[in-house]
Amino acid sequence: NAGVTQTPKFQVLKTGQSMTLQCAQDMNHNSMYWYRQDPGMGLRLIYYSASEGTTDKGEVPNGYNVSRLNKREFSLRLESAAPSQTSVYFCASSEYGQGTEAFFGQGTRLTVV
Amino acid sequence: SQQGEEDPQALSIQEGENATMNCSYKTSINNLQWYRQNSGRGLVHLILIRSNEREKHSGRLRVTLDTSKKSSSLLITASRAADTASYFCATKHAGGTSYGKLTFGQGTILTVHP
Repeated sequence: NAGVTQTPKFQVLKTGQSMTLQCAQDMNHNSMYWYRQDPGMGLRLIYYSASEGTTDKGEVPNGYNVSRLNKREFSLRLESAAPSQTSVYFCASSEYGQGTEAFFGQGTRLTVV
Repeated sequence: SQQGEEDPQALSIQEGENATMNCSYKTSINNLQWYRQNSGRGLVHLILIRSNEREKHSGRLRVTLDTSKKSSSLLITASRAADTASYFCATKHAGGTSYGKLTFGQGTILTVHP
């Protein structure tokens, strides 16, 4: 039982490049989330998907897009990376909605140069 | 500003001692959760306490919630070196524009010396 799997674990991008962070969960959870973690800022919600077929903006959505491909997979896309997007990105899932126990992936450390 | 703010920012103790971390928040909540993050890893859920609960236990963990003071505390008893990690509180908003969302604090870094 893998839980929440994120790929890649590390990535270096040049300013203006695009990339997609992949996330998959095998717990049959309805809700999935993308957070970014920056020093001194805690975790901030980028986008979430309450259930398959729906996505909503979180606290810091600018510069990102998401796709809930199916119940298992939720991807995060950076269309034109900026140095301000250098961060550690975490995908999480929960059975239903925020405020229930969330399970986190191991994170993607992204550096934009 | 953050909904949940942990105090202290860093805590250093000896193995066997108790560790207490506090979390304060600003708006009404449905529940409050505590998570642990080991260095370089994702967050792991520790315990959830609902707004109508005052205290909850799980193994060596004890969480209290005072909704009148909008604060919570996490007590780890008889700490071990393996407890070294960052601890985050997360609050589920009960109303306003952030209704239903989960907001994390900045975390407390706990170091337990063997």
